[in-house]
Amino acid sequence: ETGVTQTPRHLVMGMTNKKSLKCEQHLGHNAMYWYKQSAKKPLELMFVYNFKEQTENNSVPSRFSPECPNSSHLFLHLHTLQPEDSALYLCASSQGVAGRTDTQYFGPGTRLTVL
Amino acid sequence: AQSVTQLGSHVSVSEGALVLLRCNYSSSVPPYLFWYVQYPNQGLQLLLKYTSAATLVKGINGFEAEFKKSETSFHLTKPSAHMSDAAEYFCAVSDSSNYQLIWGAGTKLIIKP
Repeated sequence: ETGVTQTPRHLVMGMTNKKSLKCEQHLGHNAMYWYKQSAKKPLELMFVYNFKEQTENNSVPSRFSPECPNSSHLFLHLHTLQPEDSALYLCASSQGVAGRTDTQYFGPGTRLTVL
Repeated sequence: AQSVTQLGSHVSVSEGALVLLRCNYSSSVPPYLFWYVQYPNQGLQLLLKYTSAATLVKGINGFEAEFKKSETSFHLTKPSAHMSDAAEYFCAVSDSSNYQLIWGAGTKLIIKP
């Protein structure tokens, strides 16, 4: 595998379910990100991890719970979601977070539908 | 607060025609600017970035963008559109306080045969 991979690619869940999204980067980067992409809206940054430590939480509801066990893996645990949480969830990585010019590398995303 | 505005949620051009996608930003400090492209069912991929060197930046797939400070713009161009350019294009600026990317809402480029 190369680059940034995400599983599953598609997920349908009920509001009472618990599920997890997985992201893995094979680039040797130190920073990882979760974004939410909704139609016709700018990407919303949810969480940032740098060297496994969470450095940003952009007022994300507690029904989204991130986990970063090491610099290569990032999870997003989901529970009691709402229909408005349906979106494409993108994972990204970069060499670091302190460089304003760092390029972020994105995975293909998980298309989440909450019924 | 910094912001990014992309004019036009959809832009349609004929194959072989000039592509022009507009991006304006607001920033109180010298900005770092990015263009990313998202092909259908894929993640975002960097096209090019401006990091305060040359104001005309060349990217992949024949795209380029020019940083114009006086106009606070960073428009993306390509001289001749190809069918494979059909995708959504996102402009972003690096926030000066925390280095997060601030994104535009995207412009979907449609190529007519």
